[in-house]
Amino acid sequence: EAQVTQNPRYLITVTGKKLTVTCSQNMNHEYMSWYRQDPGLGLRQIYYSMNVEATDKGDVPEGYKVSRKEKRNFPLILESPSPNQTSLYFCASSRAGGGQPQHFGDGTRLSIL
Amino acid sequence: LAKTTQPISMDSYEGQEVNITCSHNNIATNDYITWYQQFPSQGPRFIIQGYKTKVTNEVASLFIPADRKSSTLSLPRVSLSDTAVYYCLVGFGSGNTPLVFGKGTRLSVIA
Repeated sequence: EAQVTQNPRYLITVTGKKLTVTCSQNMNHEYMSWYRQDPGLGLRQIYYSMNVEATDKGDVPEGYKVSRKEKRNFPLILESPSPNQTSLYFCASSRAGGGQPQHFGDGTRLSIL
Repeated sequence: LAKTTQPISMDSYEGQEVNITCSHNNIATNDYITWYQQFPSQGPRFIIQGYKTKVTNEVASLFIPADRKSSTLSLPRVSLSDTAVYYCLVGFGSGNTPLVFGKGTRLSVIA
């Protein structure tokens, strides 16, 4: 089954404690992306990757890091999380480019205390 | 970045046709228009995509006028299960540019 898998689905942690949210896709997609979703603000893109070793900033990249060492994986790293990063996060992938239909994961709800 | 504007919310009765319009005045020549549906606590799901004129699939139709500065998602005969948030996204198919989703339209279907 074609899918984008995020882990963990839920996480409560404290300010400053480094965390990583993993994202993996099994569709051999070139493009992967991370979004955050906050009430009243819709989906905002954090980072995206056109291919292995190619990552670029989206609309709200501050406080986040990503890496793309393998085509299937695109982890989101919060080196020093802060409460304003409490949000619902989605990973997505598409065959090539964000303008093509994207497949989204089920989301990761992060709470930073 | 191509920005989009949609109504914040809409209500409809079951069985009616619903049309949701998205404005994208600064759409670029290479941009496609894509619509997604999102249910609570789930990731967005692709509905339909188009470049110009009309596109139809098993769940929706997409109408795009000649100037491409707007698009209309049409949902025929909605049911309660169509209650969701609908997002319009404009972007280049294989382009290397950031994407900007709008704030979406919350559709409530009433029995």
